[in-house]
Formats: sequence, C-alpha cells, structure tokens
Amino acid sequence: NAGVTQTPKFQVLKTGQSMTLQCAQDMNHNSMYWYRQDPGMGLRLIYYSASEGTTDKGEVPNGYNVSRLNKREFSLRLESAAPSQTSVYFCASAGLRNTDTQYFGPGTRLTVL
Amino acid sequence: DAKTTQPPSMDCAEGRAANLPCNHSTISGNEYVYWYRQIHSQGPQYIIHGLKNNETNEMASLIITEDRKSSTLILPHATLRDTAVYYCIVRLDGSSNTGKLIFGQGTTLQVKP
Repeated sequence: NAGVTQTPKFQVLKTGQSMTLQCAQDMNHNSMYWYRQDPGMGLRLIYYSASEGTTDKGEVPNGYNVSRLNKREFSLRLESAAPSQTSVYFCASAGLRNTDTQYFGPGTRLTVL
Repeated sequence: DAKTTQPPSMDCAEGRAANLPCNHSTISGNEYVYWYRQIHSQGPQYIIHGLKNNETNEMASLIITEDRKSSTLILPHATLRDTAVYYCIVRLDGSSNTGKLIFGQGTTLQVKP
C-alpha cells in the first residue's frame, strides 16, 4: 500500500495563478483532510471531507476550494494564489472507526511569489 | 477542545528514555490524549492515544496521571531517528467528531549521540 500520496511535491506560482493539489489514499478511508503548515507552526485544518460527497470548512478555508472526487481522491484548489498561501500543504485520511488516528501524506511545498 | 501545554524543546541522550510531558488541566472526562510526531519536513505520524489507563505500543508508552490533568509520552530507548517535533493533542473520541485535530507548537526533541 502506498498510503497517502500527494502531487506535486514542489510548486512555485506567481500571484494570481491557480493550481490544484492532488491527494489520493488507498486505505479505503472515509475521511480526508487538508492542512497547511507555516514555518515554525503547527498544522491548521483548511477543509475536510467526512465521507464521499461531503466537504466542510476547517479553521482557515478562505482562498481555497476542495473536491472529493471519489472515496480515494480529495483535491485542494487555489483559484487566485496569494503570497500568504506560501506554505507546506499536507493531506491526511482516517478510517470510520477513529477519525483522530490520521495518516498523512508527504506534503506539497508551495511558494507564491 | 481542551488546550495543551508542552515545553518548546528537550534533549535526550541516544539509548536513554525520552520523557515528554504534556499538561491538559482543563481536559473533560470523555476527551482522549493523542500524540503525534513530525520528523523534519515529513507529514505527522500517529504515535499513541489513551483515555485514562496507561497505554503501550511498539513505538511508545503513554502515562496519564490519575486526575488526567497531565500525561507523559515515553520513548524507552531513544535513537537519532526519534529527533522530531512531538505534538500532544486532546480530543473527543473520534467516533463523535470528524477528526478536527488542533496542532499546537509541540516539543522539539533532539536526540544526541
């Protein structure tokens, strides 16, 4: 099993550009999450999806949209990137029984110039 | 959710036990204590969790005080690969929420040769 995979690993954008971060999991998990981590800080939840077809806002949703494409995939879209969105983005998934035992992907390092 | 307090940094000699404290004086009776760690630049990794009894798994032991206001994560024989940021998180049982983990700034553990 690959666990949680994320693409791309690195990305540089100019202000105003758009992009989609991809996340996939092969553990048949129901819940999926997007976090961001700024330098020296803990992770903050952007959006989550408790099950296929549902999405909800986390702590810091402004400037982002998400799509739960199917049970395996959960994408994060930046419509008009801003320098404040420079961060490391982590995707995570969790099973139905215990959503607090989350499995994280390797992260996407995004720089917005 | 109850807040946690952790020391910002700790050192440990390789091969010795690493004891990482966490204060959660406002914890409620049905809230669990979770520990995650984040090795440099990687996604967080689940370590262990408990409610009131002490817990042990292949990675670590979790000691929760009788009044549940504090806990200690123990890595019995620390190695250089255990150098990481350790996060203590207090949460309701995952079955009753959607896994919105709140990551603080954690404790940076430096294991030294």
